[in-house]
Amino acid sequence: ETGVTQSPTHLIKTRGQQVTLRCSSQSGHNTVSWYQQALGQGPQFIFQYYREEENGRGNFPPRFSGLQFPNYSSELNVNALELDDSALYLCASSSGQGAIQETQYFGPGTRLLVL
Amino acid sequence: DQQVKQNSPSLSVQEGRISILNCDYTNSMFDYFLWYKKYPAEGPTFLISISSIKDKNEDGRFTVFLNKSAKHLSLHIVPSQPGDSAVYFCAARDDKIIFGKGTRLHILP
Repeated sequence: ETGVTQSPTHLIKTRGQQVTLRCSSQSGHNTVSWYQQALGQGPQFIFQYYREEENGRGNFPPRFSGLQFPNYSSELNVNALELDDSALYLCASSSGQGAIQETQYFGPGTRLLVL
Repeated sequence: DQQVKQNSPSLSVQEGRISILNCDYTNSMFDYFLWYKKYPAEGPTFLISISSIKDKNEDGRFTVFLNKSAKHLSLHIVPSQPGDSAVYFCAARDDKIIFGKGTRLHILP
């Protein structure tokens, strides 16, 4: 059983650019959530996908968007990057029926720096 | 406006003693509370949870206590071990999971 993996591990972009972050869920998990963790803060919920459809969203603007694929891998896309988007981006997978499950398995994260 | 608050950014405890991490919340609609542990360069890992209908849940060295009237929960680790040194996040669930800012626990030899 493989765990949650994320790519890339680190990324540097400039303001205004677009970025795509990738997540491979743990085997058998059909739900993926994305979180943003700014420096000194806890993870903040961006959105969740269940069976390829968005199933909940936090307080993030539309320039944060996502996709979930039939194999349950997932992407987080951020358009028009801003300096404040610099953070660690975490994905977490779980095997629930789309509900927020307490036992989420997190990947190691992608650290994004926007200059 | 933080709904889940961890007011101690860091805590140092002697190995073998009890570590107590505290968390306060404001939303009485939370139905589940969770603790996660995070090592550097790794994602958070689930540690222990408690339903809002209970006041205590124990799992080995880890015990979580919930005081609903005070909107307060705490994580007790006893005895503390060197491998417990990490950042601990308190989290609560309504329709999503809301995390606190974390407390960095240092276990001293």
